[in-house]
Amino acid sequence: GIQVEQSPPDLILQEGANSTLRCNFSDSVNNLQWFHQNPWGQLINLFYIPSGTKQNGRLSATTVATERYSLLYISSSQTTDSGVYFCAVTDSGSRLTFGEGTQLTVNP
Amino acid sequence: DAGITQSPRHKVTETGTPVTLRCHQTENHRYMYWYRQDPGHGLRLIHYSYGVKDTDKGEVSDGYSVSRSKTEDFLLTLESATSSQTSVYFCAISEGRFYEQYFGPGTRLTVT
Repeated sequence: GIQVEQSPPDLILQEGANSTLRCNFSDSVNNLQWFHQNPWGQLINLFYIPSGTKQNGRLSATTVATERYSLLYISSSQTTDSGVYFCAVTDSGSRLTFGEGTQLTVNP
Repeated sequence: DAGITQSPRHKVTETGTPVTLRCHQTENHRYMYWYRQDPGHGLRLIHYSYGVKDTDKGEVSDGYSVSRSKTEDFLLTLESATSSQTSVYFCAISEGRFYEQYFGPGTRLTVT
């Protein structure tokens, strides 16, 4: 099955800093999503982005499908950005395959 | 937010007992999914449904069964719970096969 690798596994920032999270995948995809899992365990949809670039406020994402990677940019980070960020993809099947996630901690 | 609810939100049960988790949606989406989340494994698909009475197995389906008699409800049953099924269970929905998936709040299940 398709493999998903996220980096870095852990990231600690000071409030106001910028960061880039990376997701590499091993095969072509029909769906790629970024999620934020907050400290209460809720999975929040950030982007549905099988290709191209999208922006939503301080967050933006880019997927280069031909090179099999996606990047999530967080600018001017806030303490509420803390949590785990997951990349998940679908190849030819119906299931999302999740990466292991990036644990982000934003300190005040 | 997508209208997805899960019940119960927390459950503690004993080994060998049957357990049913319910996922309810108000979005009229065709696809519904059950995932489990465990430390070191991320989220993994258990079963999914692509319509009323239409279901298929996922990556970790052993020990689980599902049913979908109405568009809005998808049930996950553990026929005889084991300690290895202690996990957080998430329901998800999507309009179609490769469409964006939206997740419910999760059910924390502990099997003692």
